[in-house]
Amino acid sequence: QVQLQESGPGLVKPSETLSLTCTVSGGSISSYYWSWIRQPPGKGLQWIGYMYYSGSTNYNPSLKSRVTISEDTSKNQFSLNLSSVTAADTAVYYCARSYYDFWSGYFGYWGQGTLVTVSS
Amino acid sequence: EIVMTQSPATLSVSPGERATLSCRASQSVSSNLAWYQQKPGQAPRLLIYGASTRATGIPARFSGSGSGTEFTLTISSLQSEDFAVYYCQQYNNWPTFGPGTKVDIK
Repeated sequence: QVQLQESGPGLVKPSETLSLTCTVSGGSISSYYWSWIRQPPGKGLQWIGYMYYSGSTNYNPSLKSRVTISEDTSKNQFSLNLSSVTAADTAVYYCARSYYDFWSGYFGYWGQGTLVTVSS
Repeated sequence: EIVMTQSPATLSVSPGERATLSCRASQSVSSNLAWYQQKPGQAPRLLIYGASTRATGIPARFSGSGSGTEFTLTISSLQSEDFAVYYCQQYNNWPTFGPGTKVDIK
């Protein structure tokens, strides 16, 4: 059974870069599509983007200018960088895997989520 | 961006009763629609994809229907573990989620 675990700082200062890592166990990131999704406290979900091990990425157009998703296949991890953060970026950040080994657009496996607060 | 709306915002149901949740897309998404269940402090769980296909391990009391812009999630007989927030999500374009429907105990 594949498991995902997010890690990274819980507090980031405004204008800085938010960096998170998702460690995958029970499966390889060299298949399937791997996404980041966030949820502001008490609010709904927003897809941030995905990566595929070939180096292919796709981002939410509203965040595209600030987002980079990358992989480290040697560690079976993938990462999120979100630059120039503001308080509006405060959210629980989830990493997730596509249900099938192609871009099906829905998410069958999720990490437990990690809260990132943007504050000085 | 395809905007998803859900109704009602809150649905109060007694255990054993039927619950019907609605989801609407701002433009046609064909059958590219998924439903998730989220309990407090937990990640969402995929219930339905392709508008009507249950994900692995999802009980038969959950069913989805619809196409185009109008979709429905039905829980035929609510169990105690079904009280949660339910989100719809389209993936006809880059993924977007609805605001959720909270199903609570009447």
